[in-house]
Amino acid sequence: GAGVSQSPSNKVTEKGKDVELRCDPISGHTALYWYRQSLGQGLEFLIYFQGNSAPDKSGLPSDRFSAERTGGSVSTLTIQRTQQEDSAVYLCASSFYRVSVEQYFGPGTRLTVT
Amino acid sequence: SQQGEEDPQALSIQEGENATMNCSYKTSINNLQWYRQNSGRGLVHLILIRSNEREKHSGRLRVTLDTSKKSSSLLITASRAADTASYFCATGIGGGADGLTFGKGTHLIIQP
Repeated sequence: GAGVSQSPSNKVTEKGKDVELRCDPISGHTALYWYRQSLGQGLEFLIYFQGNSAPDKSGLPSDRFSAERTGGSVSTLTIQRTQQEDSAVYLCASSFYRVSVEQYFGPGTRLTVT
Repeated sequence: SQQGEEDPQALSIQEGENATMNCSYKTSINNLQWYRQNSGRGLVHLILIRSNEREKHSGRLRVTLDTSKKSSSLLITASRAADTASYFCATGIGGGADGLTFGKGTHLIIQP
């Protein structure tokens, strides 16, 4: 079946603009995760959803970051007033909660803030 | 913050040789997972070991876990050029939906 998909694959934006990154998890996967991968910080966990709720938002780097998930499926990560330090690859993953803790990752969105 | 620390940061070996990568972590865990990332592609899950296990095998992969030393190792036997990638260990503290804490990775190069 189809894996995790993310869009766009690449996004270049000007500093101060808002961006929306989309993740479409594997069908039936109840848990969804967002990570950020950058040269300086490695792979950082940002937030996860169990269904539509996010029990822990403490991993989000600042209040400019927000995420939502609707219908237990697609998720959107929004970054407001982007800064150059937001440049990174944003990875989404999903898993079948209570069945497996293995996470299946999408190809990522490469965000460049100029 | 990075919990897992892989060692070495980079490793270059000849095709057919075995590759061993190590990972150390700091807090108690429920499970430890190894992932592979090829250049320009997403992360692929390789193998998972739970905190009550000491060793697991999957094909050419062997992973060990020593919870007393808070360390794990990944052994890839009979390496192939296609094994060239970055390898990350990731720890989970819960048994279900849980954000993973990744190490910085070992970049493995297999020389033909």
